[in-house]
Amino acid sequence: GAGVSQSPRYKVAKRGQDVALRCDPISGHVSLFWYQQALGQGPEFLTYFQNEAQLDKSGLPSDRFFAERPEGSVSTLKIQRTQQEDSAVYLCASSLETGNARSEAFFGQGTRLTVV
Amino acid sequence: GNSVTQMEGPVTLSEEAFLTINCTYTATGYPSLFWYVQYPGEGLQLLLKATKADDKGSNKGFEATYRKETTSFHLEKGSVQVSDSAVYFCAPGGGSARQLTFGSGTQLTVLP
Repeated sequence: GAGVSQSPRYKVAKRGQDVALRCDPISGHVSLFWYQQALGQGPEFLTYFQNEAQLDKSGLPSDRFFAERPEGSVSTLKIQRTQQEDSAVYLCASSLETGNARSEAFFGQGTRLTVV
Repeated sequence: GNSVTQMEGPVTLSEEAFLTINCTYTATGYPSLFWYVQYPGEGLQLLLKATKADDKGSNKGFEATYRKETTSFHLEKGSVQVSDSAVYFCAPGGGSARQLTFGSGTQLTVLP
């Protein structure tokens, strides 16, 4: 596609509910990142994929967070048993190159998750 | 890993005023440096970047120079416009880290 696409754009979940957030990266982009952006803050790194391999998940805040990219394209971020502190905008970004972050990352518009 | 300290906002300027947003970073290795911008209701977009010391990134009248000796990447624009109103994020990337490390963002409002 023309850009990084994320769905849904908005999600309201009841506390304790499981949610799944989808990211469609730019076709051919090898690297895929997930970030969490709390209100009024900068995005914080969650996890990184190179093709289908999850090479870094050091930013995932708890074992309730799980991400996958099984075919090296679409990625899903799943949050189990959501808590109010999970409320944030979840951003997906993709870039063409592998290795370090020297190339431009293209961001989706994000999914705003509100846990009530 | 990398870290960044960015000038806090909000910043309010009149149209045609001079803009500086300070950014300093710490990094292991030799990162690239980026400024991203988030316009109201839109996603993050790359504004400019620099990949090595003394490089100057520029776009849309904005400039920033990679200063390795002071570990800084300050954003400047000589004459801001109302359409520049947005949140600006400084972010080192690369070096020892694959991901970008974002500052807290600076909200800029330009008044006509």
